[in-house]
Amino acid sequence: SQQGEEDPQALSIQEGENATMNCSYKTSINNLQWYRQNSGRGLVHLILIRSNEREKHSGRLRVTLDTSKKSSSLLITASRAADTASYFCATDGGSGGSNYKLTFGKGTLLTVNP
Amino acid sequence: SAVISQKPSRDICQRGTSLTIQCQVDSQVTMMFWYRQQPGQSLTLIATANQGSEATYESGFVIDKFPISRPNLTFSTLTVSNMSPEDSSIYLCSVPTPSREGLNEQFFGPGTRLTVL
Repeated sequence: SQQGEEDPQALSIQEGENATMNCSYKTSINNLQWYRQNSGRGLVHLILIRSNEREKHSGRLRVTLDTSKKSSSLLITASRAADTASYFCATDGGSGGSNYKLTFGKGTLLTVNP
Repeated sequence: SAVISQKPSRDICQRGTSLTIQCQVDSQVTMMFWYRQQPGQSLTLIATANQGSEATYESGFVIDKFPISRPNLTFSTLTVSNMSPEDSSIYLCSVPTPSREGLNEQFFGPGTRLTVL
C-alpha cells in the first residue's frame, strides 16, 4: 500500500496566489522528497528535507516537516501558470529500510489559472 | 544532478509482445531503480537494478515478467514481457545522486509511455 497520502487530490488557484499541498506518511523516515510531474512525463526533483529538519526553502518553494504528525507540506508562493502539474511526495528509509527505495504518495494535481 | 535518458519515449504495442526500455545515465552510479506509474496513479517501485548481480524485485513483481539487465554502471534495461493492456503505464528509471550536503536525492528519467492494445 502507498506510504504517503497527499491532500488535496486536486487544487485549482489563480495565478499569483499561494498553493499549499500536504502529505502524510505512515512509518518513520530518513528523508522526504517532493517532485513535480508535468503531463505524465518524468519527475522533476524539487526539494529534499531530512527527518531532523523542520523547514526548508528553495526559491518560491517552502517545505515543512512534522515527524510527530508524520506529515509534510509544500507551499508554492506567487504561483504561475507554469506551475500547473502534479506534485508528489516520496519517503525513504526509516525502520531499517533502504535510504534509496522511495514510496510515493498519490499526488496533488495543481492547476494555476492565468 | 545526473542526466538520465530513456528510450523509447513512448510506444504502442500489441498484447503478447515484449518491449525493452533502456535507461542511460551520464555518470557511474551504483544503484538504479525502475518504477511503474499506471494511468492516473502514483509511482510504484518495480525493482532495484544491481550491477554485477540479479535485480531485486518488490512484492508483486517477478523476473519473468520484468527481466532487468545492468551490464555496467551507466546503463540498465527493463523488459516488459508478454504484455497485456494492464501493462499500459509510464515506466521510469531513477538514480540516487549525492547532493552537496551528501544526501541522496533521487533523479528520474523522462519516462517511457507504454500503451498496450
